Amino acid sequence: SQQGEEDPQALSIQEGENATMNCSYKTSINNLQWYRQNSGRGLVHLILIRSNEREKHSGRLRVTLDTSKKSSSLLITASRAADTASYFCATGHNQGGKLIFGQGTELSVKP
Amino acid sequence: NAGVTQTPKFQVLKTGQSMTLQCAQDMNHEYMSWYRQDPGMGLRLIHYSVGAGITDQGEVPNGYNVSRSTTEDFPLRLLSAAPSQTSVYFCASSYSSGDWALHFGNGTRLTVT
Repeated sequence: SQQGEEDPQALSIQEGENATMNCSYKTSINNLQWYRQNSGRGLVHLILIRSNEREKHSGRLRVTLDTSKKSSSLLITASRAADTASYFCATGHNQGGKLIFGQGTELSVKP
Repeated sequence: NAGVTQTPKFQVLKTGQSMTLQCAQDMNHEYMSWYRQDPGMGLRLIHYSVGAGITDQGEVPNGYNVSRSTTEDFPLRLLSAAPSQTSVYFCASSYSSGDWALHFGNGTRLTVT
């Protein structure tokens, strides 16, 4: 069964607004990662946060992790039309590289 | 570097036919895996390998075989194709320690009629 569940399933915003996506998971993890997928393409790694970290930044991305609630959020600030894509969270376990993915959030940024 | 290369990009099979989806990476990654992506289901892990000669099952392994004779290649075999195997298949690779970020190929879109 899927480890991660994402919320919302779809999000539509205007350019310049912030976008927040949430991910919940069921079992203990070693790390949690976020990926982006443009239509018809493979997934691209965005950011990784380890289980002993609470917050991480990369450019316009901010990820938080709350292991007590088994949840994570991805914030994209000052969104652009080029951010339109599907975003997936994935949980990593002790076996290196083995990730379990959520169902994804479809983000649409209107110019 | 080419990264992760998948072939073919598209394939149509008839029920009962067999085929092999190819995956190759040139980053010397120990870990390789196959996922399938279906609408509303996200990505589901089929099989994975932590190194040459070692493979293991993921969430949805039935109907698929894999082998890992070299570090670079990780082919996925469909033994007897079924319509339920219509999907987009992604191969991914990563280091097995430290930075575990997966590098994905661009996928193979498979239709079984």
